[in-house]
Amino acid sequence: EPEVTQTPSHQVTQMGQEVILRCVPISNHLYFYWYRQILGQKVEFLVSFYNNEISEKSEIFDDQFSVERPDGSNFTLKIRSTKLEDSAMYFCASGPQGDTYEQYFGPGTRLTVT
Amino acid sequence: KNQVEQSPQSLIILEGKNCTLQCNYTVSPFSNLRWYKQDTGRGPVSLTIMTFSENTKSNGRYTATLDADTKQSSLHITASQLSDSASYICVVSEPNDYKLSFGAGTTVTVRA
Repeated sequence: EPEVTQTPSHQVTQMGQEVILRCVPISNHLYFYWYRQILGQKVEFLVSFYNNEISEKSEIFDDQFSVERPDGSNFTLKIRSTKLEDSAMYFCASGPQGDTYEQYFGPGTRLTVT
Repeated sequence: KNQVEQSPQSLIILEGKNCTLQCNYTVSPFSNLRWYKQDTGRGPVSLTIMTFSENTKSNGRYTATLDADTKQSSLHITASQLSDSASYICVVSEPNDYKLSFGAGTTVTVRA
């Protein structure tokens, strides 16, 4: 069964460094998302992406964040200058076109900022 | 601000027993309500999706109900198994809005 994959599974970085989190969505999906989950807290929406542009973003998704679909398969989240509070689990999700807007989540990347 | 509240925060049940989890939401207008299962350290996995016109949906031993008038949903787990130990998250979507609002989840622990 096709699934969303994410790399790396764990990323450790120093404060102020740039990180790129990578996702490979399910191949025929058209909608792509990033979420984050700080340890012990609820999952929070960051951004949705459709037709090569951002369709919605939350207040968390400020100028330090950007997303890109550099080719036909990858979907990336870049954090320009990481802060301690960016430490979290980051989930990518993708969804097919359809009425239910179903979303399939990847296993996540644990980002630790030191 | 749209909110999704879940109760209880956690519960422990014996293997083979049933349990019911609750979800109240204030998202309005509302498109659909989903229940996800999240194992520790993993991404959420969809169990059920219900639109405002549906009031019940089953997926194996999981049955979700929805009352759009009172803005309440429940997830019933029948004949629990050890593998049901996980966090169960209620998620609500607005119409034409790809953004999902997540509840904090109910942590279910099934003991032998």
